[in-house]
Amino acid sequence: DAGVIQSPRHEVTEMGQEVTLRCKPISGHDYLFWYRQTMMRGLELLIYFNNNVPIDDSGMPEDRFSAKMPNASFSTLKIQPSEPRDSAVYFCASSLGQVGSYIQYFGAGTRLSVL
Amino acid sequence: KQEVTQIPAALSVPEGENLVLNCSFTDSAIYNLQWFRQDPGKGLTSLLLIQSSQREQTSGRLNASLDKSSGRSTLYIAASQPGDSATYLCAVRYNQGGKLIFGQGTELSVKP
Repeated sequence: DAGVIQSPRHEVTEMGQEVTLRCKPISGHDYLFWYRQTMMRGLELLIYFNNNVPIDDSGMPEDRFSAKMPNASFSTLKIQPSEPRDSAVYFCASSLGQVGSYIQYFGAGTRLSVL
Repeated sequence: KQEVTQIPAALSVPEGENLVLNCSFTDSAIYNLQWFRQDPGKGLTSLLLIQSSQREQTSGRLNASLDKSSGRSTLYIAASQPGDSATYLCAVRYNQGGKLIFGQGTELSVKP
């Protein structure tokens, strides 16, 4: 398996623009997670899905952030409108649930810069 | 509040040295604990997972221990190599839901 695939790897945009980050989890995994990593706050969970259903979105910073998982092989994280403080590395991870001991496998991340 | 703390924040050692990285968590009712490695500009790689019922897990030169009662885990790296240089993160899971709470990491540098 190719692992968790994220796109784009780098995104540079201007304040106010819409940003869409994409994630393809490992085939067969039933959990998908979106994280944000910054120097100041470390790695924070934004939202996670189980069987395509959002389970916990308490980490989503505000209404400008939204996430969807239309099927088991694709998820998006959207920021609209983007702000400079959204600049961070965004990671997607997936896991196999109890069968896989909930071990999470991470993608390479998307480095977002909002100017 | 459930928090995970890693000490030290950074560590520099000469090649060949054995070393210990520390992780502590405020709520001892964990489901399991996972150690990750992160190389600069890369994602996280899972190293070891310890279930709450286990005391330790080993993989090659790595050994992770868990003491739930004291809220601590350690990652022991034997005979360190320059290729071990990376940031090591500890993360705790409190239920089967899969949500992980991460520490801030320990940045390890192994000098040749």
